[in-house]
Amino acid sequence: AQSVTQPDIHITVSEGASLELRCNYSYGATPYLFWYVQSPGQGLQLLLKYFSGDTLVQGIKGFEAEFKRSQSSFNLRKPSVHWSDAAEYFCAVGAASYGKLTFGQGTILTVHP
Amino acid sequence: DVKVTQSSRYLVKRTGEKVFLECVQDMDHENMFWYRQDPGLGLRLIYFSYDVKMKEKGDIPEGYSVSREKKERFSLILESASTNQTSMYLCASSRPEAGGRYEQYFGPGTRLTVT
Repeated sequence: AQSVTQPDIHITVSEGASLELRCNYSYGATPYLFWYVQSPGQGLQLLLKYFSGDTLVQGIKGFEAEFKRSQSSFNLRKPSVHWSDAAEYFCAVGAASYGKLTFGQGTILTVHP
Repeated sequence: DVKVTQSSRYLVKRTGEKVFLECVQDMDHENMFWYRQDPGLGLRLIYFSYDVKMKEKGDIPEGYSVSREKKERFSLILESASTNQTSMYLCASSRPEAGGRYEQYFGPGTRLTVT
């Protein structure tokens, strides 16, 4: 069975600093990987996804993620964080049947001015 | 744009009540999902449906049932609400594709409190 681990429950950064959120997955085949963001009181919005090809994936809001098969990782990065990026971030891996997703525990991002 | 709507943003129910959470999507998606979200646990799949009247249990189906009579509507039912079902409930939909290729689109969530 697939699983996703986000090692950091809570991260605090200063506005303008760079950001990296970690995601490790376990899956037997080539994974389909996703990052979602959830602003307070809202549903989840897709930031980016990886299916195949270029291992560096660009998403919305200036985010990118890099797939590293050897490390079973799909870390999310942003070079300069804005206060509006404060939210909870979820990494997910897609399953082979019916498009089910398995989510990580989430990482809460706090941005200090 | 895909739109997934949920009938209530906030709901307060009493222990033992039967509770219905409704979800509607407007993109003709075959797949629909119900999750509950709890702090530190991420999203856990309760049930999903891949077609009208078809359903499959997810990881935590106990205490829940679902109904899908029309393609656009997927209902989550708490047969007898309990305090440990106090949570945020999220509905999602997606196109059908073996391999999990297509992303899921989420509704805004229903925060349910059972007292």
